[in-house]
Amino acid sequence: AQSVTQPDIHITVSEGASLELRCNYSYGATPYLFWYVQSPGQGLQLLLKYFSGDTLVQGIKGFEAEFKRSQSSFNLRKPSVHWSDAAEYFCAVGGGEYGNKLVFGAGTILRVKS
Amino acid sequence: NAGVMQNPRHLVRRRGQEARLRCSPMKGHSHVYWYRQLPEEGLKFMVYLQKENIIDESGMPKERFSAEFPKEGPSILRIQQVVRGDSAAYFCASSLESQKRSYEQYFGPGTRLTVT
Repeated sequence: AQSVTQPDIHITVSEGASLELRCNYSYGATPYLFWYVQSPGQGLQLLLKYFSGDTLVQGIKGFEAEFKRSQSSFNLRKPSVHWSDAAEYFCAVGGGEYGNKLVFGAGTILRVKS
Repeated sequence: NAGVMQNPRHLVRRRGQEARLRCSPMKGHSHVYWYRQLPEEGLKFMVYLQKENIIDESGMPKERFSAEFPKEGPSILRIQQVVRGDSAAYFCASSLESQKRSYEQYFGPGTRLTVT
């Protein structure tokens, strides 16, 4: 079955520290991969996407993600977290057997402590 | 360039009433998707529409739920005879028509439905 796993429900990091949010997917071929961010009571904002090519992709707000085919992973990173990054982050996959719909992970809530 | 518009932002219905949620896609976008987010869960796909066509409704409950995207006007997600379990945030997304860009979906702010 198609699935996207975000193993960390909550993560707390100190402001200025680095961040890595994990995402694994189950799929036979390379899907399209996405990270979205959702602030409380708001919609989802697209942070970055991977379709093909360079496996390290840059997004908005200083985020990047690396696609690793051998690990079926697409982890999100940021070198230095700001308090405004506190939000919920969703990994999603689409394309191929997923068709046009996006399949989302359960999300990771990021807390930033000062 | 306005983003995806959804209204109302908040909707309260009593059990048994009907709920109508509206979505206007981004300018130039012809694909619309509806997702539902239950409390403390990720988003679940419901339906994918193009103008006057339902392309994929594999995530729609079999009863009480319907969706349309008419030639003119917004997309509508309609829930008849709402029950408490329908309380959730309903998000609309839109995308361009081109093959690869159709997977790049932009989301609206959502409609938060509360059934009392």
